[in-house]
Amino acid sequence: LAKTTQPISMDSYEGQEVNITCSHNNIATNDYITWYQQFPSQGPRFIIQGYKTKVTNEVASLFIPADRKSSTLSLPRVSLSDTAVYYCLVGDRGGGNKLTFGTGTQLKVEL
Amino acid sequence: DAGVIQSPRHEVTEMGQEVTLRCKPISGHDYLFWYRQTMMRGLELLIYFNNNVPIDDSGMPEDRFSAKMPNASFSTLKIQPSEPRDSAVYFCASSLNAGRLPNEQYFGPGTRLTVT
Repeated sequence: LAKTTQPISMDSYEGQEVNITCSHNNIATNDYITWYQQFPSQGPRFIIQGYKTKVTNEVASLFIPADRKSSTLSLPRVSLSDTAVYYCLVGDRGGGNKLTFGTGTQLKVEL
Repeated sequence: DAGVIQSPRHEVTEMGQEVTLRCKPISGHDYLFWYRQTMMRGLELLIYFNNNVPIDDSGMPEDRFSAKMPNASFSTLKIQPSEPRDSAVYFCASSLNAGRLPNEQYFGPGTRLTVT
């Protein structure tokens, strides 16, 4: 089963834009790419999903290149409350389209 | 809506004992997922159901694990017998059919299981 990888951690300051990339080389052809946010002792919370190109909602943007082998979550103007772990979730073609979470990125936002 | 409800929130048991985790999905949702989270392995899908039917159970670690969904509002994950390596946080999530997976899933607060 191919691993869905993300940077382990990122640091930022309030007001900055943060981009977190997920590598999913073996993504299933017909599946969405979804992103989640998780705070300590809580379940993951849905942020955004997309299939290709660019998707934007009130909290984030998601950029997906044409080959769909990676995706980038963009958080505009982060605040302290955005400090959390961020995960991508995709279907892995190598695993029979098994839903696979990325390794997670710990984002720390400082003043 | 109360969201996805899981019980118990914490469970401590001894090796060899049977453990049953419970989940009530959001009303109207037709997909239900069971995940496990550990420091070593991260978030892993164990099994998911569509309209109460198991669709993919390839993530269930071994025969000691079983899951059922007798109706649209209730699911259980059972471990029998439990082992210390089963210690983890178990999440249940539910979602509406959006034509593609994975789609927007709503997670419960999780059950923290400790097997001594």
